[in-house]
Amino acid sequence: QVQLVESGGGLVQPGGSLRLSCAASGFTFSDYYMSWIRQAPGKGLEWLSYIDSGGSSIYYADSVKGRFTISRDNAKNSLYLQMNSLRAEDTALYYCARDSIRSYYGMDVWGQGTTVTVSS
Amino acid sequence: QSVLTQPPSASGTPGQRVTISCSGSSSNIGRNYVYWYQQLPGTAPKVLIYRNDQRPSGVPDRFSGSKSGTSASLAISGLRSEDEADYYCAAWDDSLSGRGVFGGGTKLTVL
Repeated sequence: QVQLVESGGGLVQPGGSLRLSCAASGFTFSDYYMSWIRQAPGKGLEWLSYIDSGGSSIYYADSVKGRFTISRDNAKNSLYLQMNSLRAEDTALYYCARDSIRSYYGMDVWGQGTTVTVSS
Repeated sequence: QSVLTQPPSASGTPGQRVTISCSGSSSNIGRNYVYWYQQLPGTAPKVLIYRNDQRPSGVPDRFSGSKSGTSASLAISGLRSEDEADYYCAAWDDSLSGRGVFGGGTKLTVL
């Protein structure tokens, strides 16, 4: 079945780095844009980034621009989010989702999320 | 402060019709499609409405979306207890270099 599974979350100190992964299965990964969205504890959804199917068109939220990098490996059916210079306010549940916030059907498949905690 | 403005809460009794508003601007809702997401407690969001008023297969026709100018609405008729969830509107925003934006979310309580 169509599935997205995030991994790589954990506890990291302020200023540290973390790389999240999202493994896709059940669909042709290389045909789809992919996105990252996060949700701070008890808060709403925050769009972070999307990447087109070939990896050449990328957009970021201002809150992460210059610190986070989205990438993908279509051969491995995987999406990544490299997070540098982490701050306490980056603490959240990070979701990957199929497609983009402006794609025809919207972000129609979501993973279960991986938790990132930034604390000393 | 979210770019799209939603009421933080809404409520209704079973069988009632409730609406949730989403207010934006000319750079987002005014020129782009609106999407609605439902997040049941403890689960990942799910797309409820795409392209302003379209329902994915499997979404009951009790859910409907509309858009007018720089605002959008989600209506839920025949309210059921399982509709108790957080609802988010979303759109693309053409300001700056382009970005995705969500509303702050509306917690729907079924009394």
